Amino acid sequence: ETGVTQSPTHLIKTRGQQVTLRCSSQSGHNTVSWYQQALGQGPQFIFQYYREEENGRGNFPPRFSGLQFPNYSSELNVNALELDDSALYLCASSLAAGGRNTGELFFGEGSRLTVL
Amino acid sequence: GIQVEQSPPDLILQEGANSTLRCNFSDSVNNLQWFHQNPWGQLINLFYIPSGTKQNGRLSATTVATERYSLLYISSSQTTDSGVYFCAVDPLASGGSYIPTFGRGTSLIVHP
Repeated sequence: ETGVTQSPTHLIKTRGQQVTLRCSSQSGHNTVSWYQQALGQGPQFIFQYYREEENGRGNFPPRFSGLQFPNYSSELNVNALELDDSALYLCASSLAAGGRNTGELFFGEGSRLTVL
Repeated sequence: GIQVEQSPPDLILQEGANSTLRCNFSDSVNNLQWFHQNPWGQLINLFYIPSGTKQNGRLSATTVATERYSLLYISSSQTTDSGVYFCAVDPLASGGSYIPTFGRGTSLIVHP
């Protein structure tokens, strides 16, 4: 049990719709990062939030956006869903001090998104 | 960007056997983690090991940062060890933002 919780666990959307996924970080952690994991692949880094600002982004289009709230929880929003967005979306929390991440990630159980 | 290669891609063992999983990376790293992904998809932390050797029960890991590889040892394997093992590295070039790159994983099946 990592203390990182994600919701919803499963959801089904149709192409063109929008989705919001939520993540609560582990107590004491101030940084949240999001990952997309397609079937049979390793997780791909989407972006990271520290002090409510995005401070790192992977190779994902702008229709992937996020927020971090004052309590360090976070949302991932995906607009204009495409079939290829079907994947497991993982959230991880970690601790950064002075803007520098200590690096140890703790993951939630993921949200499995299916786009039809 | 940094390349992370894990080997072997698939591994099948009988319960009680030992195994070694390898993670090679193409550039200097700030840190490295090993994870076990269970059948429900959750990534479980095994080791945070930018260098040196650590042990936790039947599992141990060694990272030789200067030679750009890490090894995960599983001894006396059990059926509950089944799943996919990932290593993830934070490239030195990320400047401490920790933008991790994962390998493609080693899929382990342990038969009773």
